[in-house]
Amino acid sequence: GNSVTQMEGPVTLSEEAFLTINCTYTATGYPSLFWYVQYPGEGLQLLLKATKADDKGSNKGFEATYRKETTSFHLEKGSVQVSDSAVYFCALSGPTGGFKTIFGAGTRLFVKA
Amino acid sequence: NAGVTQTPKFQVLKTGQSMTLQCAQDMNHNSMYWYRQDPGMGLRLIYYSASEGTTDKGEVPNGYNVSRLNKREFSLRLESAAPSQTSVYFCASRDGSNPNQPQHFGDGTRLSIL
Repeated sequence: GNSVTQMEGPVTLSEEAFLTINCTYTATGYPSLFWYVQYPGEGLQLLLKATKADDKGSNKGFEATYRKETTSFHLEKGSVQVSDSAVYFCALSGPTGGFKTIFGAGTRLFVKA
Repeated sequence: NAGVTQTPKFQVLKTGQSMTLQCAQDMNHNSMYWYRQDPGMGLRLIYYSASEGTTDKGEVPNGYNVSRLNKREFSLRLESAAPSQTSVYFCASRDGSNPNQPQHFGDGTRLSIL
C-alpha cells in the first residue's frame, strides 16, 4: 500500500541556517505530494504541493521538488526564522488510495534565535 | 472564511461518559475526515466520509461512531469514553473528487478522559 517516511525529529537549527527535511514515499502510480505545517495549538495547514513528476512546490521560502526517480519530496528552506518552529508533515494522496491522504509521522523543527 | 469549525475546543470527561464532537465546513467539500493526534504517533485516521451518505472506518475506529449529518457536518461520538481516548481530535475536509486538492483542517478538540 501507499506509505510516507520522513526523517525523525526534532531538528534544532539556529536562525538563518539551511533546512532540509527528508521525505520518501511508496505509491502505485503518480500520487500528489504535499507538505503541511502545524503551529502550536493549531490544526495542519497546507504549506506546498506538487502534482506531477519534476514539479516544484514553493511557499513562504520553502521548496520541495517531486522526484519520481528517487520517490522523494524533500522540504528545503535557505534561511529559517524563529517563526518557522513547527511540526512539518509530508503527505500523499491518490491515485490508488481512494479518498484518503497518507501522512508521514511529522518532524518537529525548533529554530533558535 | 470560517473553513472547518470544530466544537468544543476543550473537554474533560470522566471514564464511561459519552460525548459528541462536532465538525462543520463551509467549502462545499464532499469528503470529510476525523483524525486523532497523540504524541509520537502522528495523525491516525478514525473514520472518513467520502461523500454525503457514506462513512467508512479508518485505522483506529474502535470506540467511536460517526454521523454524516449533511454535506456540511460530520460528527464523532464516543459512546463510553476511556482514558486511552485522551487525545487531540482533528476534523478535515477535501474536494474528494480531485486527489490534487489538499485537506483543510480545523483547529482541533483537546479531549481529556479521567
